[in-house]
Amino acid sequence: QQQVKQSPQSLIVQKGGISIINCAYENTAFDYFPWYQQFPGKGPALLIAIRPDVSEKKEGRFTISFNKSAKQFSLHIMDSQPGDSATYFCAARWGGTSYGKLTFGQGTILTVHP
Amino acid sequence: EAGVTQSPTHLIKTRGQQATLRCSPISGHTSVYWYQQALGLGLQFLLWYDEGEERNRGNFPPRFSGRQFPNYSSELNVNALELEDSALYLCASSSRLGYEQFFGPGTRLTVL
Repeated sequence: QQQVKQSPQSLIVQKGGISIINCAYENTAFDYFPWYQQFPGKGPALLIAIRPDVSEKKEGRFTISFNKSAKQFSLHIMDSQPGDSATYFCAARWGGTSYGKLTFGQGTILTVHP
Repeated sequence: EAGVTQSPTHLIKTRGQQATLRCSPISGHTSVYWYQQALGLGLQFLLWYDEGEERNRGNFPPRFSGRQFPNYSSELNVNALELEDSALYLCASSSRLGYEQFFGPGTRLTVL
């Protein structure tokens, strides 16, 4: 059972465009929602994160929108650049008795054309 | 500030052997998490250590085990290796009770 569903699997955007990646979750025990960026041959790097009591968080060109009632959250990359080409993972952190571990979405391969 | 470090970078083993992977957390972090990133399966949670104790483990067989040392570094051991254990093994660290997990570069384990 996939706890966090991510879409699309791949995304192609022109330079300067907006990249949007969506995630949906089922379990209300999740208490923290980070996004990670991973380049080939590297470990995932924490990009931006949000807690469920906040509806939006912006850091530079990256924005998370969070809809608690719909159990959905998304990453928006404004003014996308070729250097943003990477795999992006959404994740959800367990609270309660499974406290601490992250459950990841399947990833989105983003390609930004110059 | 140095990030999470892992060794070795690559490890090649044959089926049935044992593998040992090592991780050093960010200075000041006491929690270490291990994840498996296998092709087509995404990132799967393996183990969490904090203050030397195993706090949680994922849906993996007991031949996946580990420990955390007094200096908070950690070791992941995989016994009786199987072909499907081939994957990138990632270590992450956080401060105690911290939400943010920071990943290392990973160890690529290949089982032949």
